Amino acid sequence: GIQVEQSPPDLILQEGANSTLRCNFSDSVNNLQWFHQNPWGQLINLFYIPSGTKQNGRLSATTVATERYSLLYISSSQTTDSGVYFCAVTLGSGYALNFGKGTSLLVTP
Amino acid sequence: DSGVTQTPKHLITATGQRVTLRCSPRSGDLSVYWYQQSLDQGLQFLIQYYNGEERAKGNILERFSAQQFPDLHSELNLSSLELGDSALYFCASTIGGGPSNEQFFGPGTRLTVL
Repeated sequence: GIQVEQSPPDLILQEGANSTLRCNFSDSVNNLQWFHQNPWGQLINLFYIPSGTKQNGRLSATTVATERYSLLYISSSQTTDSGVYFCAVTLGSGYALNFGKGTSLLVTP
Repeated sequence: DSGVTQTPKHLITATGQRVTLRCSPRSGDLSVYWYQQSLDQGLQFLIQYYNGEERAKGNILERFSAQQFPDLHSELNLSSLELGDSALYFCASTIGGGPSNEQFFGPGTRLTVL
């Protein structure tokens, strides 16, 4: 079946550190999105990136569709970056987003 | 702010009851998706509507139903509620109905069944 795997499952960083989150998926991708779920439960769109590279401030993302993975880079992390980061994809002929289990990030002062 | 609105923000009810969750998509978006986030199942797709018609179905229980109205808002009806239905319910909207459109999520409705 469709698989979306994220790693690492948990990450603890000190403020100012950089990190890379990975998302592997099992089929050809139509849509790939990265989200940040904040402590209040809101899902914040970070990137829509079915292929290529994008940057937004301290965050950037790269998707290599032919190799079925995507990376989210967080630089100079801040405590407000804490939360869960989800990768979600629509694969094959499907319409809905399939979510990974997320990476839980804690940034300490 | 994604432009997708959901009401209510929180809902507390008892087992066996019925509730209705409401979603208004972003202005101009024709498609609405419903997702459920529970502790044990993670984020799962329930159902999609496009311009009033059901487009795709996921892991939606028979006790749950949804519809999209002519003004494009959508409602998710949950009946005969069980403790396991406690979850965060999200609505998302897209401009088109296809799989490649970026989905924008509302703030969610947190349902607690006691």
